[in-house]
Amino acid sequence: AQTVTQSQPEMSVQEAETVTLSCTYDTSENNYYLFWYKQPPSRQMILVIRQEAYKQQNATENRFSVNFQKAAKSFSLKISDSQLGDTAMYFCAFMKPEVAQKLVFGQGTRLTINP
Amino acid sequence: SQTIHQWPATLVQPVGSPLSLECTVEGTSNPNLYWYRQAAGRGLQLLFYSVGIGQISSEVPQNLSASRPQDRQFILSSKKLLLSDSGFYLCAWLRRLAGGETQYFGPGTRLLVL
Repeated sequence: AQTVTQSQPEMSVQEAETVTLSCTYDTSENNYYLFWYKQPPSRQMILVIRQEAYKQQNATENRFSVNFQKAAKSFSLKISDSQLGDTAMYFCAFMKPEVAQKLVFGQGTRLTINP
Repeated sequence: SQTIHQWPATLVQPVGSPLSLECTVEGTSNPNLYWYRQAAGRGLQLLFYSVGIGQISSEVPQNLSASRPQDRQFILSSKKLLLSDSGFYLCAWLRRLAGGETQYFGPGTRLLVL
């Protein structure tokens, strides 16, 4: 079974700084998808970024980018020029391509952006 | 465009009472649908998923059940709630994109069992 580990329960940075959230996963699959979701105080789960394992190029979405290291099974999220609205829980998730397409989540990192 | 709805948004129920949470998706057909539960400050646990009408798979044995009476409707139920059923319940649907699939979530239901 796949597992996802986020080793940083909490992080705190100043506004406009860059912050990196860590995620490691364990799988024997060669083809899969990885995701970062953001959960603000409203608790709505919002997709931040996704990465296909077969792609070597790291995904980027505006201020959000990932460092995908397939051999090391590492998938970190970098937030540049952090904003107060980035304050949220961030969850790393793994999906194996199959009929069910289930997500396996890490335990989350609580990120606080301070003014 | 596709949207996903959940109701109620908040629910307070006594122990032993029944439960029915509803999730509906608009703008798509025959999506995979999912129910997750999130305890306070924790990650998401997959409870049920469905790949089609009447097709339900359970991930964790528990006091809950799920049904999919229509293509875009997914219902989470219980005959008798337990204190441990309290939590935040999220419904999600699977969107098929070029290059892969992605799950998108509804706004969630906060359930407090007293």
